[in-house]
Amino acid sequence: GENVEQHPSTLSVQEGDSAVIKCTYSDSASNYFPWYKQELGKRPQLIIDIRSNVGEKKDQRIAVTLNKTAKHFSLHITETQPEDSAVYFCALGAREYGNKLVFGAGTILRVKS
Amino acid sequence: DSGVTQTPKHLITATGQRVTLRCSPRSGDLSVYWYQQSLDQGLQFLIQYYNGEERAKGNILERFSAQQFPDLHSELNLSSLELGDSALYFCASSVGGDSLSPLHFGNGTRLTVT
Repeated sequence: GENVEQHPSTLSVQEGDSAVIKCTYSDSASNYFPWYKQELGKRPQLIIDIRSNVGEKKDQRIAVTLNKTAKHFSLHITETQPEDSAVYFCALGAREYGNKLVFGAGTILRVKS
Repeated sequence: DSGVTQTPKHLITATGQRVTLRCSPRSGDLSVYWYQQSLDQGLQFLIQYYNGEERAKGNILERFSAQQFPDLHSELNLSSLELGDSALYFCASSVGGDSLSPLHFGNGTRLTVT
């Protein structure tokens, strides 16, 4: 069955440093890997996603890398800013999962200025 | 703005009561998903509808039910409410009926059961 583990649960970085959040999964059927950002009291918002036929995708300061062999994918945020402070959720999808995205437990990112 | 509308924003009610949460998906989206987020918890999938039909079910209690209407809006009904049902309930929509499309979340309904 589907399962996704997200680490770390909390991450504190100094403004300007990089942050990396990693998710591992068990089912090789997974083929869609989005990342969501949720600011305090607000809705989750999609920030980047990747599909299984791509190894890396970048969008300005954020990037996602996927290693299908090792079954993990990571979110990379460079030059962090205080407004990057939020909870980040990884998720994965596959038709075999019965049409639902499976979310990780979330990572609380704190960027200290 | 995600284009997904949820009402009401806040709901305060007593134990044992019944409430209805409403969601209008983005224009063109056929799928509606319901998620529950308790304090300091992740996103728990409840149920999904696609074009009026139930497509997937998650950890939804028997006291909870949902439906999607012909105009594609959806309602989540919560009955015999308990204190533990207090949470943020999100609706999300997507174009496709599978889990391979981005989800667009509404702003949520914060339910407080006293």
